[in-house]
Amino acid sequence: AQSVTQLDSQVPVFEEAPVELRCNYSSSVSVYLFWYVQYPNQGLQLLLKYLSGSTLVESINGFEAEFNKSQTSFHLRKPSVHISDTAEYFCAVSDQGAQKLVFGQGTRLTINP
Amino acid sequence: DTGVSQDPRHKITKRGQNVTFRCDPISEHNRLYWYRQTLGQGPEFLTYFQNEAQLEKSRLLSDRFSAERPKGSFSTLEIQRTEQGDSAMYLCASSRPPVSVIETQYFGPGTRLLVL
Repeated sequence: AQSVTQLDSQVPVFEEAPVELRCNYSSSVSVYLFWYVQYPNQGLQLLLKYLSGSTLVESINGFEAEFNKSQTSFHLRKPSVHISDTAEYFCAVSDQGAQKLVFGQGTRLTINP
Repeated sequence: DTGVSQDPRHKITKRGQNVTFRCDPISEHNRLYWYRQTLGQGPEFLTYFQNEAQLEKSRLLSDRFSAERPKGSFSTLEIQRTEQGDSAMYLCASSRPPVSVIETQYFGPGTRLLVL
């Protein structure tokens, strides 16, 4: 069975500092990987996804994630965060051939001025 | 283009009562998913439909839960004889017919259920 572990439940950082949100997964088959973001009082939105090809994927607002098959990780990074990045971030995995998403527990990113 | 909508947004009920939630997917999305999210946890898959066919059900979906999508458009999720452990946010998502290996799931705002 698949599982996703987000190693940090909360990550506080200062504005303009770099951040890394960690995600590890376990699966016996090839997977697709996703990061979703939930801003305060809003629904889940897709931030970025890895399906195949280049292991480094980027979002339109400066986040990037790298698929590392040997480490079974898909960590999310941003070189310089903004107050507006305050949100909860969820890592998710889907088996190739399946449709359901398996989510991690979430990481709450708090940006301090 | 409207997003996924869910109704109601909040529901408070007493233990033992039945509740029904509705989800309207994005137009022309033929796949519809239900997830449940409890406090401090990520969403957990409950079930999904392709058109009107229910193709997969999680073991989390006990006999008290039933989901339908009668005409392949909106879906309802009913919980019978609610229990306090059913208190959670119920999320609906939809995706379009796959043109690649997997399509993005678009989530609605959720229905927050509180069972007293």
